[in-house]
Amino acid sequence: EVYLLESGGGLVQPGGSLRLSCETSGFSFRNYAMSWVRQAPGKGLEWVTTIRGNGDTTYNAESVKGRFTISRDNSKSTVYLQMNSLRVEDTAVFYCAKDVYESGTSEFDYWGQGTLVTVSS
Amino acid sequence: QSVLTQPPSVSGTPEQRVAISCSGSRSNIGTNYVHWYQQIPGTAPQLLIYRNNQRPSGVPDRFSGSKSGTSASLAISGLRSGDEADYYCATWDDSLSGVVFGGGTKLTVL
Repeated sequence: EVYLLESGGGLVQPGGSLRLSCETSGFSFRNYAMSWVRQAPGKGLEWVTTIRGNGDTTYNAESVKGRFTISRDNSKSTVYLQMNSLRVEDTAVFYCAKDVYESGTSEFDYWGQGTLVTVSS
Repeated sequence: QSVLTQPPSVSGTPEQRVAISCSGSRSNIGTNYVHWYQQIPGTAPQLLIYRNNQRPSGVPDRFSGSKSGTSASLAISGLRSGDEADYYCATWDDSLSGVVFGGGTKLTVL
């Protein structure tokens, strides 16, 4: 069975940093792209970033370019999201999602339960 | 302002059929597959329809998807109270080199 488990969320001050992790199991991790999708309180889904299966290519939403970095450790079946220069508007539940292809699409067949990031002074 | 446009809400009575539209452009829906996600409040999204009109195993055939040009649609027939959820369309945008979601549509079963 496929599992995705996010961790690392919490309360951080504006301008601060946070690193999210998404540990996975139940599938050949290196063969699939992984993404982060966030949802601000009471709002819709917003794609954040995607990393291809071999880790050589990433795609980022304009709203997080230069501040957020996605990475992965295929030996640990884990994907990370390093978030720097956090803003109040980054407050959201962050979900990691498994793509159905190595290259990255918008077809996410499995999602984690989400981790809440709150940016506030 | 989302790249893909969905109605904020739709409603229907039990056993009725409703449809949710998703409008985009040539660089996204016009070129790539559309997928639909269902999100029951307080839970993570789940893939409901993939590649325009395919259902994952376990999704009843009351749910169907279609795409034409730069628009897509999700239809739900035989409405049930358990279908109350938020529904999102999504696709890849070649111009943005990224995933785009619709703003979401809240379905209420009256």
